[in-house]
Amino acid sequence: SQTIHQWPATLVQPVGSPLSLECTVEGTSNPNLYWYRQAAGRGLQLLFYSVGIGQISSEVPQNLSASRPQDRQFILSSKKLLLSDSGFYLCAWRWAGAEQFFGPGTRLTVL
Amino acid sequence: SQKIEQNSEALNIQEGKTATLTCNYTNYSPAYLQWYRQDPGRGPVFLLLIRENEKEKRKERLKVTFDTTLKQSLFHITASQPADSATYLCALGPPGGYNKLIFGAGTRLAVHP
Repeated sequence: SQTIHQWPATLVQPVGSPLSLECTVEGTSNPNLYWYRQAAGRGLQLLFYSVGIGQISSEVPQNLSASRPQDRQFILSSKKLLLSDSGFYLCAWRWAGAEQFFGPGTRLTVL
Repeated sequence: SQKIEQNSEALNIQEGKTATLTCNYTNYSPAYLQWYRQDPGRGPVFLLLIRENEKEKRKERLKVTFDTTLKQSLFHITASQPADSATYLCALGPPGGYNKLIFGAGTRLAVHP
């Protein structure tokens, strides 16, 4: 069966510090991968998605970037965090169907 | 731009009753619509998908309707239980592909014993 991992689960970072969040999927090949951010009381905002290694589509201009160095690995990064980057970051995968399967999320607080 | 609206206020109902959640959208013609459940501090979990040419879909105690004329979907939970308490998100799927979903902010459901 397929599983999706995200780490870390929680993160507190100062403004201006770098960020690296990692997502890995097991039990599937060539999935579509997604990064979302969820602010309190808000819907999920799609940040990036990837249909294959090295292929990244950016949905929202911001100081975040994403990379997909391996088929089942998706990384979200920032060189300098802003206060507005705080939120709940979710990774998701999709394969053949339309439904998406989400990871446990990372709660990021930027102080 | 597209807009998707779900009741921002929590829905409180008694155990055993039917919960009905609403999802309205504008400026969009989705090929399908999905409903997800999200528990506090967790990622959403897929529940049901309904396509634009389908009027109704059922899965156990769940029922979803999709009215493309009204641009509305209704999500029903029959014989509700306290374990159904969660936030429910609707998401619109684009025509021509499965790559992007537009999520609503969700409606929090509280089922009281």
